Amino acid sequence: RKEVEQDPGPFNVPEGATVAFNCTYSNSASQSFFWYRQDCRKEPKLLMSVYSSGNEDGRFTAQLNRASQYISLLIRDSKLSDSATYLCVADSKTSYDKVIFGPGTSLSVIP
Amino acid sequence: NAGVTQTPKFQVLKTGQSMTLQCAQDMNHNSMYWYRQDPGMGLRLIYYSASEGTTDKGEVPNGYNVSRLNKREFSLRLESAAPSQTSVYFCASSLTAYGYTFGSGTRLTVV
Repeated sequence: RKEVEQDPGPFNVPEGATVAFNCTYSNSASQSFFWYRQDCRKEPKLLMSVYSSGNEDGRFTAQLNRASQYISLLIRDSKLSDSATYLCVADSKTSYDKVIFGPGTSLSVIP
Repeated sequence: NAGVTQTPKFQVLKTGQSMTLQCAQDMNHNSMYWYRQDPGMGLRLIYYSASEGTTDKGEVPNGYNVSRLNKREFSLRLESAAPSQTSVYFCASSLTAYGYTFGSGTRLTVV
């Protein structure tokens, strides 16, 4: 089983729609979680960290459920510019500063 | 700010040839990483360096060597390239697990 799993999609949604991505992680000792965004043929970039209490950054909301070991990302009022691949990331307890990247979920926002 | 700079951006090698991918960061980060990204596989860690003078194997180290030349530079060497090493290679750096900064990537094709 992969340490971090995501639905690969693609998710095709119309502009203005709300879309949610889920991610599961296998290491119950993981403490830090993140969402990265990767545009086509570009490098991944940090989108937001995921805190236990949940956190919001504009149209983006991240949630963590430790009991079920899953993380979610909700995007409200989708924009064309949100089209990208979203990578779920969990820290690895084999090294204090190494993280494990999920395979990514592809989002296409359609006009 | 330059952030993380990778060279070259593109490379075509013949099977058996060698090459070195260069990476430099100007953010005074302690940790540096080399990843490869293949369709459907996500980012896989090749090698990492937690600090100057130390390197450790990641998930897929076979066929690669690394050198942490100083705090800024972390190079990846392919001694005898194979078609299975055709991939996109990303260098990254971080202070801790919070916020990896990636270079723009090297697209390598081995024929």
